[in-house]
Amino acid sequence: EVQLVESGGGLVQPGRSLKLSCAASGFTFSNYGMHWIRQAPTKGLEWVASISPSGGSTYYRDSVKGRFTISRDNAKSTLYLQMDSLRSEDTATYYCATDLGWGQGVMVTVSS
Amino acid sequence: DVVLTQTPVSLLISLGGQASISCRSSQSLVHSNGNTYLHWYLQKPGQSPQLLIYQVSNRFSGIPDRFSGSGSGTDFTLKISRVEPEDLGVYYCLQRTHNPWTFGGGTKLELK
Repeated sequence: EVQLVESGGGLVQPGRSLKLSCAASGFTFSNYGMHWIRQAPTKGLEWVASISPSGGSTYYRDSVKGRFTISRDNAKSTLYLQMDSLRSEDTATYYCATDLGWGQGVMVTVSS
Repeated sequence: DVVLTQTPVSLLISLGGQASISCRSSQSLVHSNGNTYLHWYLQKPGQSPQLLIYQVSNRFSGIPDRFSGSGSGTDFTLKISRVEPEDLGVYYCLQRTHNPWTFGGGTKLELK
């Protein structure tokens, strides 16, 4: 069974940093591209970033370029999202996702 | 960015009835490789989105044949026949043909 478990969310002040993790199991992690998708409270879905199976290629939406970094550790079957210079508009539930499924999400709240 | 317009925004359907959701794109979703990366997701209350249909018309593993997808180019449709209580929630279309990936605004399916 595919499992994706996010962690690392919480309340953080504007301008500060947070690092999300996503532990994967139930599939060959190194064979799949991985993605972060977010959903602001009561809003729709928004793609944030993607990384290729090897980690050699990364892609970001414009609003997070230069502030967020997606990475992966295939030996640990874990996906990461380093979020720097956080803004109030980054407040959302962040989902780790792959073609096979999505995690349950982790809440990030950016507020003073 | 590609804009996906979903209609209707909400649907009231009786159990056993049929639902149809439209997803129209601001530009063609045919990739240069000939594939069309238009997918459909269902987000049940309190849950993360789950993949129903990938590449226009292919049902994901475990998805009943009550769900069907069709369309081409810029116009796509998801049909749900014999609606059951577990079908309730918000349906989203997602395009992965163009970067950045974009989602439709969602269609909420409720019981009449």
